[in-house]
Amino acid sequence: NAGVTQTPKFQVLKTGQSMTLQCAQDMNHEYMSWYRQDPGMGLRLIHYSVGAGITDQGEVPNGYNVSRSTTEDFPLRLLSAAPSQTSVYFCASSRGWEAFFGQGTRLTVV
Amino acid sequence: TQLLEQSPQFLSIQEGENLTVYCNSSSVFSSLQWYRQEPGEGPVLLVTVVTGGEVKKLKRLTFQFGDARKDSSLHITAAQPGDTGLYLCAGFYGNNRLAFGKGNQVVVIP
Repeated sequence: NAGVTQTPKFQVLKTGQSMTLQCAQDMNHEYMSWYRQDPGMGLRLIHYSVGAGITDQGEVPNGYNVSRSTTEDFPLRLLSAAPSQTSVYFCASSRGWEAFFGQGTRLTVV
Repeated sequence: TQLLEQSPQFLSIQEGENLTVYCNSSSVFSSLQWYRQEPGEGPVLLVTVVTGGEVKKLKRLTFQFGDARKDSSLHITAAQPGDTGLYLCAGFYGNNRLAFGKGNQVVVIP
């Protein structure tokens, strides 16, 4: 049982480049979410989805897009990367009150 | 605005000592969760507290939910080096949004 799988684990981007962080879960959870984790800031919610075809903004959505075409996948797109988006990104899927996290993607924007 | 305030942010203790960390909010939560995160990994759920005044034990870890359901504490008895990690409290608010505190970094020195 893979749980929540994030790819890639590490990525370096140049300012202005775009990329997609992949997230897949095999637990048939309706709720999925993306967080970024920065030193001293904790986990901040970027976007979330309560089911296929439904997404909503979290606390820090600017510069990021999401879509949810299937229950399993919830990709996060960076439209034009900025140094301020250097962070560790976590995807999570939830059942009830319990959230299951992927191992994270460490992104550096230079 | 940080919905969940955790204190202290950093705590270093000797093996065998006891410690308590706190998670406070001005908002009422239907439940609070505690997660532990180790370096390079995603957070892992430890416990969910639901009822005001509830106490849950997980081996040497004791979790308490405040009577008013606005705060929670985590007490570790006879801390071990394996207890080292970032402890995060979390709770749902608004439309299915899961918010996290900034965490309590605990270091247990052998």
